[in-house]
Amino acid sequence: DAGVTQSPTHLIKTRGQQVTLRCSPISGHKSVSWYQQVLGQGPQFIFQYYEKEERGRGNFPDRFSARQFPNYSSELNVNALLLGDSALYLCASSLVRGGTGYTFGSGTRLTVV
Amino acid sequence: DAKTTQPPSMDCAEGRAANLPCNHSTISGNEYVYWYRQIHSQGPQYIIHGLKNNETNEMASLIITEDRKSSTLILPHATLRDTAVYYCIARNGSRLTFGEGTQLTVNP
Repeated sequence: DAGVTQSPTHLIKTRGQQVTLRCSPISGHKSVSWYQQVLGQGPQFIFQYYEKEERGRGNFPDRFSARQFPNYSSELNVNALLLGDSALYLCASSLVRGGTGYTFGSGTRLTVV
Repeated sequence: DAKTTQPPSMDCAEGRAANLPCNHSTISGNEYVYWYRQIHSQGPQYIIHGLKNNETNEMASLIITEDRKSSTLILPHATLRDTAVYYCIARNGSRLTFGEGTQLTVNP
């Protein structure tokens, strides 16, 4: 079975640009969460989507947005990129919202220059 | 979610048991203790979770003190592939609140 897949794996963007990251959950999983991991720190929660609706949001500015599609895949958008947005962006899926075990993808490494 | 405290780093000899401690003195009655690990450049991997009772699975054992203020993750026979950052999380809602974790280094 395919795990959580994220694309692209690496990305370099310039300050002020916009970026879209993609996530495909495990088949049958309806909940997708996004996390940001800055180098040397633990992942920080950004969003959770369940059944195509936003169910939770972390302490991130409005430049960050996301959506979930009918097939439960998800996109994370970040506008007006700052140098501080450079991080590993992780997607996690679970069968249901609040399920016992979240499965993480390998992430997208975003570098803002 | 309650705050958790872990040592920043630990070493363990290959083949020996690795015991990773975690303090969660403010944990509430309905918060589960979760453990994840993250091998370099990969996403976090679920290991085990528990509420009150000790738990064991194919990866590890979780010992939770009776007052639930602390717990220990035990890797019974550590291998070089267990070198990773281990995160202890006290989880209530649907989000995971990661701290900085413990860097476990398994030495040959």
